[in-house]
Amino acid sequence: EIVLTQSPGTLSLSPGDRATLSCRASQSVSSSYLAWYQQRPGQAPRLLIYFASSRATGVPDRFSGSGSGTDFTLTISRLEPEDFAVYYCQQFDNSPSFGQGTKLEIK
Amino acid sequence: EVQLVQSGADVKKPGESLKISCKGSGYSFTDYWIGWVRQMPGKGLEWMGIIYPGDADTKYSPSFQGQVTMSVDKSISTAYLQWSSLKASDTAMYYCAKHRRRGLYGSGQAFDYWGQGTLVTVSS
Repeated sequence: EIVLTQSPGTLSLSPGDRATLSCRASQSVSSSYLAWYQQRPGQAPRLLIYFASSRATGVPDRFSGSGSGTDFTLTISRLEPEDFAVYYCQQFDNSPSFGQGTKLEIK
Repeated sequence: EVQLVQSGADVKKPGESLKISCKGSGYSFTDYWIGWVRQMPGKGLEWMGIIYPGDADTKYSPSFQGQVTMSVDKSISTAYLQWSSLKASDTAMYYCAKHRRRGLYGSGQAFDYWGQGTLVTVSS
């Protein structure tokens, strides 16, 4: 079973800042199997990134994903007020799993 | 427009049974796996398993195998998640979500559309 560990647990930033969220896998994951989601309070998760770096339909280009092997990153270039939420990575190897999440909060 | 619409919130007592639903529309329901995801209060997302509406094939997470049953009625484009004997620890929000690509796992796979969630509360 692949365990995904996200860091930091909480990230405190201001609107306009750059956010860098990390997702580390316990064993190598194909980059094509890695996705990122955003969950705002009281809402269902929303797909942001698949293939580790491809934006889903309607996702602003300030969101970008990168990485390979065991280390993956979600970057938000300039934070907007609506970006403060919880972010999860997920791998789709033969036993899918989610990371525990990173909460992005307003500083 | 693709939509997944889940059944409403439910309150049950320990030991009772429950079946919640997820109705898909706006796409070919039988061609894409549907997954179930648990979110306990204040916690993260947990992958429970998936079901293929075309032939009702299922894959369960080891953590949920034997604890829940997934099923589907393709004639009404609806997937189900059921418990035969609820526990207080089953209290959570449950989401259904659709695979982005045809096929089980692998390249480019993700959950691209999500239901609104069903809150299940188990309390004596």
